[in-house]
Amino acid sequence: NAGVTQTPKFRVLKTGQSMTLLCAQDMNHEYMYWYRQDPGMGLRLIHYSVGEGTTAKGEVPDGYNVSRLKKQNFLLGLESAAPSQTSVYFCASSYSLREQYFGPGTRLTVT
Amino acid sequence: AQSVTQLDSQVPVFEEAPVELRCNYSSSVSVYLFWYVQYPNQGLQLLLKYLSGSTLVESINGFEAEFNKSQTSFHLRKPSVHISDTAEYFCAVSLNNAGNMLTFGGGTRLMVKP
Repeated sequence: NAGVTQTPKFRVLKTGQSMTLLCAQDMNHEYMYWYRQDPGMGLRLIHYSVGEGTTAKGEVPDGYNVSRLKKQNFLLGLESAAPSQTSVYFCASSYSLREQYFGPGTRLTVT
Repeated sequence: AQSVTQLDSQVPVFEEAPVELRCNYSSSVSVYLFWYVQYPNQGLQLLLKYLSGSTLVESINGFEAEFNKSQTSFHLRKPSVHISDTAEYFCAVSLNNAGNMLTFGGGTRLMVKP
């Protein structure tokens, strides 16, 4: 039981490049989330999903897209990376409406 | 919309001393409250939570938090800290009528000195 895993762990992009972050969970959770963590700002919700095939916007969705084609996977895409998207990205999943389980994070730098 | 304020960004403390990490929230409806801990270069782990019932909740490693509805607070306390408690601590709120989203505070970095 690996819990929540994220791929890759680190990535450096140039402005304008695109990439996809992969989140996978093996706990059969319905709910999945993408957050970004910036110093002094805690975690801010980017997008979330309440089930396979569904997605919704969170607090800071601009510049990101997501997909949930399979229940266990939640993908976060950056179509045209900007320096303001330099951050640590965390994925989480939940089996109830309350407690969330977090992945180890992806550190992204956009130059 | 709800918000969460962690009043201290950093809290230095000596080993074996008591500590309190403060958390206040604003919400017009009932909430569920959480404390998460993040050790260096790791993801967040749930430390404790308040959903209902007793307003004092405890974790397995000696932390406790008390829900105070009148003061809209959920402060985290430990009577005697260890070096291993050095980490960043996040308070989070979930509305009980919205359900599926957490709003986080800005975090408090606890630095335990020998």
